[in-house]
Amino acid sequence: GAGVSQSPRYKVAKRGQDVALRCDPISGHVSLFWYQQALGQGPEFLTYFQNEAQLDKSGLPSDRFFAERPEGSVSTLKIQRTQQEDSAVYLCASSLVRMVNTEAFFGQGTRLTVV
Amino acid sequence: ELKVEQNPLFLSMQEGKNYTIYCNYSTTSDRLYWYRQDPGKSLESLFVLLSNGAVKQEGRLMASLDTKARLSTLHITAAVHDLSATYFCAAVGYMGGGADGLTFGKGTHLIIQP
Repeated sequence: GAGVSQSPRYKVAKRGQDVALRCDPISGHVSLFWYQQALGQGPEFLTYFQNEAQLDKSGLPSDRFFAERPEGSVSTLKIQRTQQEDSAVYLCASSLVRMVNTEAFFGQGTRLTVV
Repeated sequence: ELKVEQNPLFLSMQEGKNYTIYCNYSTTSDRLYWYRQDPGKSLESLFVLLSNGAVKQEGRLMASLDTKARLSTLHITAAVHDLSATYFCAAVGYMGGGADGLTFGKGTHLIIQP
């Protein structure tokens, strides 16, 4: 597609429910990132994929967070047993190669509200 | 670990005035971005700065980069209401696990009063 696409745009989950957030990066982009943006804050790094390989997951806040990109294109961020502190906007970004060499493009985000 | 600090975090200014937002980063970075974010929207890339002394301008916004001082600035000239938004700077650097990615500042919430 023309840009990075994320779905759903909005998600309301009851505490304890599992959720899955999807990211369709720009076609051909090797690098894919997930960021978490709490209300009134800057985006915080969660995890990074190069093709299908998850090379950095140092930003995932707990083992309830899991991300995958099995075929090197679409990625899913899964949050198990959601908690209220998980409420945030989850942003996906992709870049053609490494971010140090090319520009990153962000999707519109998924706003997750845990009630 | 790369850290990015912006100031001010909140700025209310009148139309027609000039102001500068400052962005300091803690370690060497090869690429510095400025983004705009409107409420409920995603990040819109404004500028990418790649080298020491780089200056880019678009309309009333001008961004510059001093890699020796590890400082970038976003200057607003003769502000207009439409520029009200949150502005983020972000530097490319190594994340905790070794991959290079963007580290963001906390953002500057800019309100321009008519």
